[in-house]
Amino acid sequence: IQMTQSPSSLSASVGDRVTITCRASQAINTYLNWFHQKAGKAPKLLINDASILEAGVPSRFSGSGSGTYFTFTISSLQPEDLGTYYCQQDDTLPWTFGQGTRVEIK
Amino acid sequence: QMQLQESGPGLVKPSETLTLTCNVSGGSIDGSTNYWAWIRQPPGKGLEWLGSIYYSGSPYYNPSLKSRITISVDTSKNQFSLSLTSMTATDTAVYYCVASERFWGQGTLVTVSS
Repeated sequence: IQMTQSPSSLSASVGDRVTITCRASQAINTYLNWFHQKAGKAPKLLINDASILEAGVPSRFSGSGSGTYFTFTISSLQPEDLGTYYCQQDDTLPWTFGQGTRVEIK
Repeated sequence: QMQLQESGPGLVKPSETLTLTCNVSGGSIDGSTNYWAWIRQPPGKGLEWLGSIYYSGSPYYNPSLKSRITISVDTSKNQFSLSLTSMTATDTAVYYCVASERFWGQGTLVTVSS
C-alpha cells in the first residue's frame, strides 16, 4: 500500500495551525499511525489508530480520517514541533510509511 | 518504561552478512503482547519497515528484501536479532529496533563499503 503525504515540507510561525494529509492507495480502515522525528533522533509515535493520542503527547496534536484519507493537525505550532512527520499504515503487510513532511518554524 | 538498544557492526563490506541485535530492558520479550520489528532509514531519506515478529509466532518480512532477511527472538537473553545477507551500498542506513511502533532504539548507522 502506497502512502502519500502532502505537503512535502512547510514553514509556519509559532502559534499557527498546521495540517498534514496522508492518502493511502487502498482502504486501510483506521490502521494509521503518525510519527514525529527530530533530526538525529528516532521517530516518536504520536497518534495510533488514526486518532488516538499516545500517553504524554500534548493535546495540540490530533488526527482524523479513515479508509484512504487522513489528516494530522497541530492546533498551535510550538518551536519544539519542528522536524519531520510520517504517516504509516499497519493494516496490510508490508507496513509502509509516507515520504514525510518536513516542518520548519518561520 | 521499555527500552531498546541496538548493537552490531557499524561497517560491513559488500556481499557480507549484517547481524544486529536488539537488547530489550524494562519488559519481557516473551511476556507481553508486543511485536518486535526492524525499521531502517537511509541517510536523508524516509523510513522502511523491514520485518516483524511476535515471540511465539512466525516472522513477517518486507518482500522487497526477498530471501535476504531473518528476524529471530532469543528469550533467554531478552533480545531479538536481524540478519541481512548480501549487503550492498543501498543497504547503508540507520537501523532501528522497535517494539510495537511505540518504543524505539536510538538507531545504529550501518555503512556498507569496502
